[in-house]
Amino acid sequence: GDSVTQMEGPVTLSEEACLTINCTYTATGYPSLFWYVQYPGEGLQLLLKATKADDKGSNKGFEATYRKETTSFHLEKGSVQVSDSAVYFCALSDRTGGFKTIFGAGTRLFVKA
Amino acid sequence: EAGVAQSPRYKIIEKRQSVAFWCNPISGHATLYWYQQILGQGPKLLIQFQNNGVVDDSQLPKDRFSAERLKGVDSTLKIQPAKLEDSAVYLCASSSRDLLPGEQFFGPGTRLTVL
Repeated sequence: GDSVTQMEGPVTLSEEACLTINCTYTATGYPSLFWYVQYPGEGLQLLLKATKADDKGSNKGFEATYRKETTSFHLEKGSVQVSDSAVYFCALSDRTGGFKTIFGAGTRLFVKA
Repeated sequence: EAGVAQSPRYKIIEKRQSVAFWCNPISGHATLYWYQQILGQGPKLLIQFQNNGVVDDSQLPKDRFSAERLKGVDSTLKIQPAKLEDSAVYLCASSSRDLLPGEQFFGPGTRLTVL
């Protein structure tokens, strides 16, 4: 079945450092890919999305590119802020999976001032 | 636009007791989801409604969990009787036909602790 694998956390960075959170997926079809973010005490919020190969999703300085050849959708940000501290979830939704959304385990990010 | 509302935010019960969670989705969203999020894991779908009909409940432990969405708007998820392993955050989410499959709006969740 479909699955999503994320790098384990926590990831601890200093403010203004570069961020990469790795995400790879397995899907029988051609999925849409998502990054969701969960701030402390809150529900998940959609951060960015991509629907086809080489699409780049971007929002709030975060970017991720849909790489079909490597089945990856890594999350990147050039300069993190303390306010980016949260848990980040990679997810996919695939027609052959009945469009059920499959989430990764999440990667916790701590940004120090 | 109001977001997805959930109540209560926190609940502590003893094993074998029953508990119910309530969700009110974004107005006009026909699709409603209940997820279970165990600490350190991603959300796992329990049940998906389209209006007041069940689309997918394949991962709902039906011997103890039940859910309903009688008028196609708000929904209730019940656990009876609760087990220790039910301790988790229960998230409600909603979506509409205008959105991509997989694109959902989440409520703040209900954190359940079973002692």
